[in-house]
Amino acid sequence: DIVLTQAPLSVSVTPGESASISCRSSKSLLSSKGITSLYWYLQRPGKSPQLLIYQMSNLASGVPDRFSSSGSETDFTLKISKVETEDVGVYYCGHRLEYPLTFGSGTKLEIK
Amino acid sequence: VQLVESGGGLVQPGKSLKLSCSASGFTFSSYGMHWIRQAPGKGLDWVAYISSSSGTVYADAVKGRFTISRDNAKNTLYLQLNSLKSEDTAIYYCARSSGDAWGQGASVTVSS
Repeated sequence: DIVLTQAPLSVSVTPGESASISCRSSKSLLSSKGITSLYWYLQRPGKSPQLLIYQMSNLASGVPDRFSSSGSETDFTLKISKVETEDVGVYYCGHRLEYPLTFGSGTKLEIK
Repeated sequence: VQLVESGGGLVQPGKSLKLSCSASGFTFSSYGMHWIRQAPGKGLDWVAYISSSSGTVYADAVKGRFTISRDNAKNTLYLQLNSLKSEDTAIYYCARSSGDAWGQGASVTVSS
């Protein structure tokens, strides 16, 4: 199974500042179709997860452009610019390269 | 796009439960669907997938005990949970294969 390792476990950010979350994969997530199968999700407190980023760097519908993602075949970074209070929650990376799908253990973002 | 789970509850170890996920706002028959669960205070754990043509894939932890199915005429996804164990206690989410739509979750508690 593909193991996704997230860091840090938690991050505390002042509103208006930036935050970065890392996700490292135990295997290349580049598919035979040339797509990097890395996804980012946000789970706000008490809510279902929502898709933020698909295929490593594409913003999901309705997601503000304060969110961005980049990376290689195995190392990925989610960046949140100008953090707002609504960004509080747990961020998960996940892949869809093969079964079983797996997710990182999550990074909790808090506001200072 | 809306996904609404139902059928959760408290069940004894070894017993069965059937979850439903009612879909609306999109052409349900054209999409593969996932069940993903989240144990209390834990991260996301993929459970099963069914393609638009009803091909299925399961996580090893549930293979032989859980069955995913769909009724396209009713726009409904199902998860039959048999031989339940305490470690199956979780919120169960249905999600569209593209990852951009999740239900609110159905709570399953396995306890005597």
